[in-house]
Amino acid sequence: DSGVTQTPKHLITATGQRVTLRCSPRSGDLSVYWYQQSLDQGLQFLIQYYNGEERAKGNILERFSAQQFPDLHSELNLSSLELGDSALYFCASSVEVIGTFTGELFFGEGSRLTVL
Amino acid sequence: DAKTTQPPSMDCAEGRAANLPCNHSTISGNEYVYWYRQIHSQGPQYIIHGLKNNETNEMASLIITEDRKSSTLILPHATLRDTAVYYCIVKKKSSGDKLTFGTGTRLAVRP
Repeated sequence: DSGVTQTPKHLITATGQRVTLRCSPRSGDLSVYWYQQSLDQGLQFLIQYYNGEERAKGNILERFSAQQFPDLHSELNLSSLELGDSALYFCASSVEVIGTFTGELFFGEGSRLTVL
Repeated sequence: DAKTTQPPSMDCAEGRAANLPCNHSTISGNEYVYWYRQIHSQGPQYIIHGLKNNETNEMASLIITEDRKSSTLILPHATLRDTAVYYCIVKKKSSGDKLTFGTGTRLAVRP
């Protein structure tokens, strides 16, 4: 158990819909990362938040957005869903203070999104 | 961050050492080598990291060559539960915090 909690574990929805994935980081971790893993793309970094502020952006589509709340939990919002958005979405957290990245990310078990 | 090359797949017998190689010939002096693994569809798990000295923890050992152009992750006594995809990642600590995962090595441990 990494200490990172993601909900829901599974989600099935239709094209055009909008979903929200939630992540609770490990206690005390200030950074939250979102990754997408689809069969043909591997693990793709989407976005990182540090203490409520966006810190780094990867291959995140404009239809996707994220935020980190004052209690440090994070949500990833996916809208206008397409079949190709079907994937595992992982959240990770780490404890680093800016400038002292340890490289150790703790990943949750993921949210499996199926778009029909 | 430097690129890495790993064999797509390997296998080893249960109870034997699994030696997973990683080539990072363009690594620069301040880049670290990180290893993660992902057991079928679970979240990736951190294993170990190092700069230039060999490192060991309760999960594995990391051997980095003197010129730092390659490294080997060693699982000393592989078990069936070590069957996973293993990712070698090279990264500067200063180049932002995100880790970029490649395609990794799929390790199959045989009974």
